[in-house]
Amino acid sequence: AQSVTQPDIHITVSEGASLELRCNYSYGATPYLFWYVQSPGQGLQLLLKYFSGDTLVQGIKGFEAEFKRSQSSFNLRKPSVHWSDAAEYFCAVVPYSSASKIIFGSGTRLSIRP
Amino acid sequence: NAGVTQTPKFRILKIGQSMTLQCTQDMNHNYMYWYRQDPGMGLKLIYYSVGAGITDKGEVPNGYNVSRSTTEDFPLRLELAAPSQTSVYFCASSYSLKTGDTQYFGPGTRLTVL
Repeated sequence: AQSVTQPDIHITVSEGASLELRCNYSYGATPYLFWYVQSPGQGLQLLLKYFSGDTLVQGIKGFEAEFKRSQSSFNLRKPSVHWSDAAEYFCAVVPYSSASKIIFGSGTRLSIRP
Repeated sequence: NAGVTQTPKFRILKIGQSMTLQCTQDMNHNYMYWYRQDPGMGLKLIYYSVGAGITDKGEVPNGYNVSRSTTEDFPLRLELAAPSQTSVYFCASSYSLKTGDTQYFGPGTRLTVL
């Protein structure tokens, strides 16, 4: 079945440490790929997106993500996290075959240890 | 631009009551979406619209209805509220997803059915 998987439900990292959040998809053709962030009580904000070209994508707030076709992955990274990065992070996919709706992963909650 | 606005922000309903969640966007976007987000879960697509007069079901449409009479507005109707519909509802819009266009989210409506 076609799906978006975020295997980590909750991650805790120390402030200043590096971060990697995992995302895998199971669509045949390369879909459009997104990362969104949701702060408590807020709507979702787009961090970055990939739909063609360079497989390393830069986003806002110092985040980046790398598309790896061979692994069907689009992992989100940040070299040094800040306390304000504590939030819920969602990977999302627009299937190439049906580019009228976006499918979200179940999310990864990020906590920051002082 | 105000972006995507939703009203109300909060609402408590009794079982069997009905209500309409309002969503308006001022970006002249063709695509509009309704999602629900249950605690600790990702977003589930309820309904979406690719233009005025055109709507389609998402993953979890049962118990909801929508209409799209104008480009700007996409109201979501709950006819007979049930406790299972307790959730946070997000409206979103985008110009098009076919080129990886950004999806913009409203602030959400927190609905409790008792």
